[in-house]
Amino acid sequence: QVQLVESGGGVVQPGRSLRLSCAASGFTFSNYAMYWVRQAPGKGLEWVTLISYDGSNKFYADSVKGRFTISRDNSKNTLYLQMNSLRADDTAVYYCARGRGFGGSYFDYWGQGTLVTVSS
Amino acid sequence: EIVMTQSPATLSVSPGERATLSCRASQSVSSNLAWYQQKPDQAPRLLIYGASIRATGIPARFSGSGSGTEFTLTISILQSEDFAVYYCQQYNNWPPITFGQGTRLEIK
Repeated sequence: QVQLVESGGGVVQPGRSLRLSCAASGFTFSNYAMYWVRQAPGKGLEWVTLISYDGSNKFYADSVKGRFTISRDNSKNTLYLQMNSLRADDTAVYYCARGRGFGGSYFDYWGQGTLVTVSS
Repeated sequence: EIVMTQSPATLSVSPGERATLSCRASQSVSSNLAWYQQKPDQAPRLLIYGASIRATGIPARFSGSGSGTEFTLTISILQSEDFAVYYCQQYNNWPPITFGQGTRLEIK
């Protein structure tokens, strides 16, 4: 069965960095575009970034552009999110999700999420 | 950016009754519209994609309709496990991919 397991969340000071990971199993990871979606406490869902199946194409929300970097290692079935220059408004649960296409896609499987708290 | 607006923000319905949730797009998204269910402390779960196609394993009491800018999610006979927050998402014009702000379905 399809599984996505995020890790790497925690408490970090403003301006610092954090890297999230998402371990995928139960499907051919290298065939799918992958996404990060976040949810601030008590708020709705916000798309963050996406990466094509081979890592050659990436897009970012304006709110994270220039600070976050998405990447993947298909040999390890793992998706990453490098988050730099973190701000208080980056505090959220971060979900990785599998897309059914590149860009114009819905998300058929989600991980359980990992909480990132940016606070001094 | 396409803005997705859901209504109402909160819907109170009794178990066994029908619930109708609305989602409006600021411009046409064709049928590229998905619905998700989220329960407390859980990840969202895909219910509907292509505006009206039920995802794998989703009960038939969930149905989606609409195209262009107006969409509806209907839950025909509410079960206790259906009380949750529901989000719509458009994937027609991107980036960005955008979600509605959610409708909380609560027990009346």
